[in-house]
Amino acid sequence: SAVISQKPSRDICQRGTSLTIQCQVDSQVTMMFWYRQQPGQSLTLIATANQGSEATYESGFVIDKFPISRPNLTFSTLTVSNMSPEDSSIYLCSVDDGYNEQFFGPGTRLTVL
Amino acid sequence: AQSVAQPEDQVNVAEGNPLTVKCTYSVSGNPYLFWYVQYPNRGLQFLLKYITGDNLVKGSYGFEAEFNKSQTSFHLKKPSALVSDSALYFCAVRDMSAGGSYIPTFGRGTSLIVHP
Repeated sequence: SAVISQKPSRDICQRGTSLTIQCQVDSQVTMMFWYRQQPGQSLTLIATANQGSEATYESGFVIDKFPISRPNLTFSTLTVSNMSPEDSSIYLCSVDDGYNEQFFGPGTRLTVL
Repeated sequence: AQSVAQPEDQVNVAEGNPLTVKCTYSVSGNPYLFWYVQYPNRGLQFLLKYITGDNLVKGSYGFEAEFNKSQTSFHLKKPSALVSDSALYFCAVRDMSAGGSYIPTFGRGTSLIVHP
């Protein structure tokens, strides 16, 4: 199993600003994922972040808006840039443990005013 | 391509009664199937998975799920519901055939409400 922590747990931001979300894992993992979830709704994959390579973004998400860093096997950051109220959501970090299970962080609840 | 459907937005059940949360899937190859639970203001927690073998899979908190290949279903069940089981439940599928995605596709979620 993997234990994942995220910072911040929640934030309220002004439009036009940026927020960087941190994801820390207690073990080394190859594959990390960033998801967005509207409250009470399903998960939408933003990108896959593998250490040592550029993040792979899903359709509808671009690097300029959601830059991702993956400096090592236990850490990643997601930045939400030039925020608008439409970016208000829960952002979840997830890892694959290599045994076909995904583990999720507690999420970052973002509100953009 | 892979997809998963959770046909019910909400399931209501009385405490002590059996519960079922439905999930059907579509993959071109062999499926890996998962159930996750999300409590309010929390991340997703893994409940159980089907990879191969026995079609009845037992997981955390007394939950189980039955893999039915002919009906392409993987319904989540529990013999006796608890109020504390009230949460959002997500089914997910991964296509394990050659060329399949290693990233699971999640259903839209089903809100389970257990009444005292």
